[in-house]
Amino acid sequence: DTGVSQNPRHKITKRGQNVTFRCDPISEHNRLYWYRQTLGQGPEFLTYFQNEAQLEKSRLLSDRFSAERPKGSFSTLEIQRTEQGDSAMYLCASSLGQGPPEAFFGQGTRLTVV
Amino acid sequence: AQSVAQPEDQVNVAEGNPLTVKCTYSVSGNPYLFWYVQYPNRGLQFLLKYITGDNLVKGSYGFEAEFNKSQTSFHLKKPSALVSDSALYFCAVGMDTGRRALTFGSGTRLQVQP
Repeated sequence: DTGVSQNPRHKITKRGQNVTFRCDPISEHNRLYWYRQTLGQGPEFLTYFQNEAQLEKSRLLSDRFSAERPKGSFSTLEIQRTEQGDSAMYLCASSLGQGPPEAFFGQGTRLTVV
Repeated sequence: AQSVAQPEDQVNVAEGNPLTVKCTYSVSGNPYLFWYVQYPNRGLQFLLKYITGDNLVKGSYGFEAEFNKSQTSFHLKKPSALVSDSALYFCAVGMDTGRRALTFGSGTRLQVQP
């Protein structure tokens, strides 16, 4: 499968614990995005990388959230001291080039904070 | 700032009938417009996009969308609905400059009855 891959698919964690998600984009794609989707809503932008540079962060991305893309390939999204409000589907997407941001999405990681 | 509105939470249509899923947008420049579909437990799948040129855009699975600049709309259409089209549909807007990420609407659930 050469699409966007996200791991794990599901994560249940206790409030206050740290979690880390991984995204492997389509191999030649230079742009990588993280979105968050809650039930009944559309995806909300969290952050965006072009190669290894993090170029934009949403105000939704509190200090407890950090994302990296160290070699311009895979990316990780870490949430520290999780809260129940962090429960959501975390989507990763990637795209190629400088033009219109047509993005290809992974299946997401569903986080449940109990 | 850019925004997308999908005024209908749900659209019901009988199989074989034409369907329309509505989308309006707001941007400060020239928009790039997208439609994505989401099936249960699946990531978002790209359907079609408008960048420039012909206002009628054809996409996957027989879907098409019409860009109307004066009405700032980008409605999704299909001449003959299938039961398998039942899913959650998202309209999204992007820009060619500045922010590279997409802004999504809240989604419209399409239910096609046999």
